[in-house]
Amino acid sequence: DADVTQTPRNRITKTGKRIMLECSQTKGHDRMYWYRQDPGLGLRLIYYSFDVKDINKGEISDGYSVSRQAQAKFSLSLESAIPNQTALYFCATSDYGTPDNEQFFGPGTRLTVL
Amino acid sequence: DAKTTQPNSMESNEEEPVHLPCNHSTISGTDYIHWYRQLPSQGPEYVIHGLTSNVNNRMASLAIAEDRKSSTLILHRATLRDAAVYYCILDSGYSTLTFGKGTMLLVSP
Repeated sequence: DADVTQTPRNRITKTGKRIMLECSQTKGHDRMYWYRQDPGLGLRLIYYSFDVKDINKGEISDGYSVSRQAQAKFSLSLESAIPNQTALYFCATSDYGTPDNEQFFGPGTRLTVL
Repeated sequence: DAKTTQPNSMESNEEEPVHLPCNHSTISGTDYIHWYRQLPSQGPEYVIHGLTSNVNNRMASLAIAEDRKSSTLILHRATLRDAAVYYCILDSGYSTLTFGKGTMLLVSP
């Protein structure tokens, strides 16, 4: 079984709809992240959480919100989706205190906003 | 934030070595150099990291310039499966990584 899972894997929605993307991990990591990737570009950080009570904005948090329901779960919400939020979304996790700070990524969620 | 500069794309033949360069002239003394790669239709995966000394692991080698202003990721024998986008990233230790556009590596049979 995959260590980092994302649901749904694909989603098509309409402008103005509320959307939730979910991420779960079985690695026991404290830290979780949400990124988005647009075609031909690298990943940009949306939000990150260093533990259940810690939530931080990333580079592009406007229009998004997150919830860290448990150590293993980190959800990303689009309160009112707009077409320019069409992108590939990745969740990632990392351990606390490891010197290599390796991040483990999920398979991604492809979101289309019409 | 310190930035990295990588070529947009590189080509290689299968079973030949590949040297992927990265410039990071504004690197600070405590920044680690990380490399990730993203295979088609997948999330990024960690490749290797280093601070000052050259590093080797089962996937690749990382050669770091003495002044740390540049580094090179070395794939000793490229395979078709190594075709991916390779990201060179500086990590200041605050646990957030900034991904640039990376280098798209094309591997021909």
